[in-house]
Amino acid sequence: EPEVTQTPSHQVTQMGQEVILRCVPISNHLYFYWYRQILGQKVEFLVSFYNNEISEKSEIFDDQFSVERPDGSNFTLKIRSTKLEDSAMYFCASNRDRDSISRGYTFGSGTRLTVV
Amino acid sequence: GQSLEQPSEVTAVEGAIVQINCTYQTSGFYGLSWYQQHDGGAPTFLSYNGLDGLEETGRFSSFLSRSDSYGYLLLQELQMKDSASYFCAASNAGNMLTFGGGTRLMVKP
Repeated sequence: EPEVTQTPSHQVTQMGQEVILRCVPISNHLYFYWYRQILGQKVEFLVSFYNNEISEKSEIFDDQFSVERPDGSNFTLKIRSTKLEDSAMYFCASNRDRDSISRGYTFGSGTRLTVV
Repeated sequence: GQSLEQPSEVTAVEGAIVQINCTYQTSGFYGLSWYQQHDGGAPTFLSYNGLDGLEETGRFSSFLSRSDSYGYLLLQELQMKDSASYFCAASNAGNMLTFGGGTRLMVKP
């Protein structure tokens, strides 16, 4: 079964440093998403991306965050200057088209970001 | 914005049936999805309701009532491996998901 691949699985960084989280969505999918989950809490939407631009973003996705699809396969989330409260599990997800919501997103296994 | 409420914990025994309820307050509501998440794992898709009524997928069923802003996930013939967190999630027209706080299901022998 096709998978969404995320790297690294765990990233530890110092406060104020920049991090880039990487995702390889499923190859024929067109819609890409980043979500995050602080330990023990609910999954929160960050941003959606389609046709090389942001479709929607949440209040969490402020100027410290950016997304990019630098080539035909990777989808990245950059946090410019990390804060302690950015510590969370970050999930990438994709789906094929708007109508495939009925088949659900495919989530990657996540990157656990720890800011110290 | 959207907010979803679901119980924080449910306990049941193996072989039993359990229902996890979800109520929502939304703008631009499109449909309700259910995801399962084991500790340390990614959410995995279980079911989606775009229309009122019941959707059945094996041991799992999901129900939606738009007029009541309410849905539920029904798990039958519970197995130990069903112990996990279950999230309802509302989608808008842009397919953005807003998740509920999750229900931790503990299945006991």
